[in-house]
Amino acid sequence: ILNVEQSPQSLHVQEGDSTNFTCSFPSSNFYALHWYRWETAKSPEALFVMTLNGDEKKKGRISATLNTKEGYSYLYIKGSQPEDSATYLCAPLEAASKLTFGTGTRLQVTL
Amino acid sequence: DTGVSQDPRHKITKRGQNVTFRCDPISEHNRLYWYRQTLGQGPEFLTYFQNEAQLEKSRLLSDRFSAERPKGSFSTLEIQRTEQGDSAMYLCASSTPGTGGMTEAFFGQGTRLTVV
Repeated sequence: ILNVEQSPQSLHVQEGDSTNFTCSFPSSNFYALHWYRWETAKSPEALFVMTLNGDEKKKGRISATLNTKEGYSYLYIKGSQPEDSATYLCAPLEAASKLTFGTGTRLQVTL
Repeated sequence: DTGVSQDPRHKITKRGQNVTFRCDPISEHNRLYWYRQTLGQGPEFLTYFQNEAQLEKSRLLSDRFSAERPKGSFSTLEIQRTEQGDSAMYLCASSTPGTGGMTEAFFGQGTRLTVV
């Protein structure tokens, strides 16, 4: 079983704050890393699929970086808004098989 | 086809009963996954299919759980003799393998099972 750790478990920020989360995973047999956002009462939705060491991807105010050699990825949210409130899940892919999800970081953004 | 659909959305059953859930993936997706999510945890892998072939099944899954994808399209997940510990959200997702399995997975809205 792949050991995936996400931190922090939960986070409460004010509107306008910037924040970041960490995803740690085994660096051996790395194939790809997925980030998903899961809003309450909705389905998880993909944010990024990352494969290359040093890769950085951006979608609006959200960006992610990847370090495959040391086995971690950071997700950044710039200028958090209430609509960013969700659980953010990372899922490394090993040997092109199944996604193994971390426990997620629950973000709450208040006015 | 607007996405992955799951049926039912909610299921309440008595302990010991059998339940079956259905997942209809996005039509051109040949990979289909089942996950289970309980409070405070991320989605836990149960099993996945490539077309009609079941490629992997979690070792955590007891013999009471079985999944099928008979024609490589929709899939069913059956839980026999349900226990209270089976109460969870059951998520289905589909994807295309892309280049080495790197395409994103699309999730259904899940089936919430409550065993009383």
